Amino acid sequence: DGGITQSPKYLFRKEGQNVTLSCEQNLNHDAMYWYRQDPGQGLRLIYYSQIVNDFQKGDIAEGYSVSREKKESFPLTVTSAQKNPTAFYLCASSIIWGNTEAFFGQGTRLTVV
Amino acid sequence: QQQVKQSPQSLIVQKGGISIINCAYENTAFDYFPWYQQFPGKGPALLIAIRPDVSEKKEGRFTISFNKSAKQFSLHIMDSQPGDSATYFCAASTGSNYQLIWGAGTKLIIKP
Repeated sequence: DGGITQSPKYLFRKEGQNVTLSCEQNLNHDAMYWYRQDPGQGLRLIYYSQIVNDFQKGDIAEGYSVSREKKESFPLTVTSAQKNPTAFYLCASSIIWGNTEAFFGQGTRLTVV
Repeated sequence: QQQVKQSPQSLIVQKGGISIINCAYENTAFDYFPWYQQFPGKGPALLIAIRPDVSEKKEGRFTISFNKSAKQFSLHIMDSQPGDSATYFCAASTGSNYQLIWGAGTKLIIKP
């Protein structure tokens, strides 16, 4: 089945630790995105990548880092610099940057303990 | 000016009724207006989308109405069913930026 796979589904992190969220897609999409979702708020863009080996900061990139070494993979690292990392993280992709439909993974819920 | 304001925050509708969710925007450069549906524990999925050259688009029980002069667009769900219970997000983007600007979401509950 084609789609976007995020892992793990639930993640617990101690304060001061970095943690990496995985996102893999087999849709052959060029563009990939990371969003953060908090209760009562819309999705906020963390980083996006228009093409492999390229990525750009979104609206709330501070405390996060990404890489795009392979077309199908776009991992997100939540660093200790992120002051309030507990949230639901969503990865998405689209055929090309600017294509109208974004396909989402099932999300990773990160909790800082 | 980049905001998309969505209302209501939550909505309860009887089975068979009409669910209506509204969104308003300020940026007149927005030219793409999608609605996404999200079930608990899942990622959002595109439901229906409209561009400002039409005032209405219908797909099955779902209709988007677009009022360019009022800078508003809305989602109507006809004959609402319990399976429609989900969170609905409106969004908007421009042809020059493409970044989706999201509304805060509406939690819809359809009572059987």
